[in-house]
Amino acid sequence: EPEVTQTPSHQVTQMGQEVILRCVPISNHLYFYWYRQILGQKVEFLVSFYNNEISEKSEIFDDQFSVERPDGSNFTLKIRSTKLEDSAMYFCASSELAGNSYNEQFFGPGTRLTVL
Amino acid sequence: KNEVEQSPQNLTAQEGEFITINCSYSVGISALHWLQQHPGGGIVSLFMLSSGKKKHGRLIATINIQEKHSSLHITASHPRDSAVYICAAINTDKLIFGTGTRLQVFP
Repeated sequence: EPEVTQTPSHQVTQMGQEVILRCVPISNHLYFYWYRQILGQKVEFLVSFYNNEISEKSEIFDDQFSVERPDGSNFTLKIRSTKLEDSAMYFCASSELAGNSYNEQFFGPGTRLTVL
Repeated sequence: KNEVEQSPQNLTAQEGEFITINCSYSVGISALHWLQQHPGGGIVSLFMLSSGKKKHGRLIATINIQEKHSSLHITASHPRDSAVYICAAINTDKLIFGTGTRLQVFP
């Protein structure tokens, strides 16, 4: 069964460093999402991406964050200068169409980011 | 106030019991997801529904759009059902998550 994959599973970085989290969505899906979950808190929406551009982003997704689909398969989240409060589990998700077309989102296993 | 509220926050049950987890939302939605999160952190989609009721094995999800309320039921609960269950409202392009219900089922 097709699945969303994410790498790495765990990333440790120093404050101020840049990190790139990678995701490979399900191959025929057109919509891509990043969510994060700070330890002990609920999952929060970061950004959605369609047709090579951001379709919606949250207040969390500030200038330190960027997303890219560098080739036909990968979808990346870059944090330019990490802060301690960026420590969280980051989930990638994909869907065939947008959520408002009643298409399920399928989640990757997550990348745990630890900023020291 | 959270846009998606779940109750209870924590739930313990004996194996075999019938479980109900409730979700209320205050935002406009096109559909609602029920998701399961295991201790390792991975999130699995259980249901997506926009009306009525869906059933998959021992799991049943219902939604009442007029009342802005959904329920997840687990029949004949089992220790392997122990996980965090999350409802998430589909609002425009994104999911708005509830805080989750931590379920522990004891043998």
